[in-house]
Amino acid sequence: EDKVVQSPLSLVVHEGDTVTLNCSYEVTNFRSLLWYKQEKKAPTFLFMLTSSGIEKKSGRLSSILDKKELFSILNITATQTGDSAVYLCAVTAGGTSYGKLTFGQGTILTVHP
Amino acid sequence: GAVVSQHPSWVICKSGTSVKIECRSLDFQATTMFWYRQFPKQSLMLMATSNEGSKATYEQGVEKDKFLINHASLTLSTLTVTSAHPEDSSFYICSARPFGNTGELFFGEGSRLTVL
Repeated sequence: EDKVVQSPLSLVVHEGDTVTLNCSYEVTNFRSLLWYKQEKKAPTFLFMLTSSGIEKKSGRLSSILDKKELFSILNITATQTGDSAVYLCAVTAGGTSYGKLTFGQGTILTVHP
Repeated sequence: GAVVSQHPSWVICKSGTSVKIECRSLDFQATTMFWYRQFPKQSLMLMATSNEGSKATYEQGVEKDKFLINHASLTLSTLTVTSAHPEDSSFYICSARPFGNTGELFFGEGSRLTVL
């Protein structure tokens, strides 16, 4: 059974801090890893990673995948209160599981002013 | 990015009634849509895969007779919670992938169901 584990489960920081969120996975026939941000409603897409070692960046957020060690990290620099959210990591597999997302438990990030 | 619309965004119903939730892809066609459920403070759990023109594929532990899925067209999937009970109260989210897209899924806004 596919498995995604995120850590830490929750994190409280102050504005301006840098945070690193972790995601490890066990997936048969791995295809891609995705990061989502969830505030009050449905998740919004952040990154999709398919290749090892290639960093993806969007503003203050960046993410990288290590397919050998089966994990990914999401970095947020100079955090702001608007970054407070649940960050979800998910993986997709190929074959008959193609398109299905298996989610981790999420990391609850709280950024204080 | 692609837009997925879900309706209603929230619904309150009495125990024993049925509730239908619609998921539409507004600017793309989706042969496959996915239905997730999220309980408070928990992550999203896949319930079923909705396939246009054929039967849905349900995940282990999800009752197919209780959660009826119909994927009538390339832009519409519906989830009907039949004979709803308070334990069915949850946040239901659909997602879809544009035809030919290799991985990214787009989510609807979610539907919060409260069963009294």
